[in-house]
Amino acid sequence: DVKVTQSSRYLVKRTGEKVFLECVQDMDHENMFWYRQDPGLGLRLIYFSYDVKMKEKGDIPEGYSVSREKKERFSLILESASTNQTSMYLCASSFYLRETQYFGPGTRLLVL
Amino acid sequence: SQQGEEDPQALSIQEGENATMNCSYKTSINNLQWYRQNSGRGLVHLILIRSNEREKHSGRLRVTLDTSKKSSSLLITASRAADTASYFCATDAMEYGNKLVFGAGTILRVKS
Repeated sequence: DVKVTQSSRYLVKRTGEKVFLECVQDMDHENMFWYRQDPGLGLRLIYFSYDVKMKEKGDIPEGYSVSREKKERFSLILESASTNQTSMYLCASSFYLRETQYFGPGTRLLVL
Repeated sequence: SQQGEEDPQALSIQEGENATMNCSYKTSINNLQWYRQNSGRGLVHLILIRSNEREKHSGRLRVTLDTSKKSSSLLITASRAADTASYFCATDAMEYGNKLVFGAGTILRVKS
């Protein structure tokens, strides 16, 4: 069965801290994605990766960076967390770039 | 950019009734997908319908696609309390690059 896991379900950080969110998939998918979800705004794409060490900016990359050193793992990094980055973060993976995506359970991040 | 928009924003029905949600989009697509999200969780893929298909079924779900009207509908028949969730459509379009664009979702509440 397909599985995408995220390192934390809930996270509380202080303004200015560096935050790492990790995502692991066990489906050998080429493509991985990071979204943030805010009430009334739906899902917004932050970054995606179509291969190891390859990445592409999504709609809202400012304040974020990503790392994909291994095929199964895609990390989202908040270089200096700010309160406006409080959100639900969702990771997903897919075999084909614009087809079915498999999502992790999400990480709810609170930045104080 | 809001390529896909769901309607209504919220829907409340009794158990056993049918629920219909609509999605409209702006530009030509290759496929349209529907996802479900239970409260505070990740999204789960329901159905993918391609631009050359008009209707698709999966269990109690029926999806239609009208490319001339740039719209899709998701029908859940004989709804159950467990169908209570948010439902999102996601579209791909060449002009949006290699990504899916999600709408803001319809919140469905099924009362028992």
